[in-house]
Amino acid sequence: SSELTQDPAVSVALGQTVRITCQGDSLRNSYASWYRQKPGQAPVLVFFGKNSRPSGIPDRFSGSSSGDTASLTITGAQAGDEAEYYCQSRDISGNYVIFGGGTKLTVL
Amino acid sequence: QVQLVESGGGLVKPGGSLRLSCAASKFVFSNYYMTWIRQAPGKGLEWVSSISFSGAPIYYTDSVRGRFTISRDNANNSLYLQMSSLRAEDTALYYCARDHGGWYDFWGQGTLVTVSS
Repeated sequence: SSELTQDPAVSVALGQTVRITCQGDSLRNSYASWYRQKPGQAPVLVFFGKNSRPSGIPDRFSGSSSGDTASLTITGAQAGDEAEYYCQSRDISGNYVIFGGGTKLTVL
Repeated sequence: QVQLVESGGGLVKPGGSLRLSCAASKFVFSNYYMTWIRQAPGKGLEWVSSISFSGAPIYYTDSVRGRFTISRDNANNSLYLQMSSLRAEDTALYYCARDHGGWYDFWGQGTLVTVSS
């Protein structure tokens, strides 16, 4: 499969923990990268590889992977975390880049 | 801080052409693959094309292969996307992004391409 599937929307109470998932066959062989996009802004990389965060991204953001599913976990969700989150990987052939459809995170 | 600034977007009729540019600064441009990613209005992200350090190999998503051409000028720290035979479905905000080994660590703010008669 050359698709990455994400739940369209997820909500979390302020201060609680939320997990955003991404499913696809390509994730059995490669890690997902995760991007946060706020309205009117460019995407920002928030997690990549096995266990890496870009500088400036707090350790409240963590990633994990199991089988064909990758997850982005946000602990202690803040109002500023409200955004669209996209996962990204490569397809099984390795020649194409694929993005998930995005998950809109609402912080209640 | 790495900077990527896209330009060249605009309104074009179906079947027309447009050339996008991305000016890169504050990093060694020739050390990185570069990529174009687009986002149709209200939609998700779609990878368009990537180019290696020296210009080859090059990769395209199926929907643009044969119509779009990615290129780069390392001497001038610039990335390009020549788009021809444009269709309504090519309407999107086009981002250039630095490829740091399979993930995109810096993005520009995008340039809007609208294909409409």
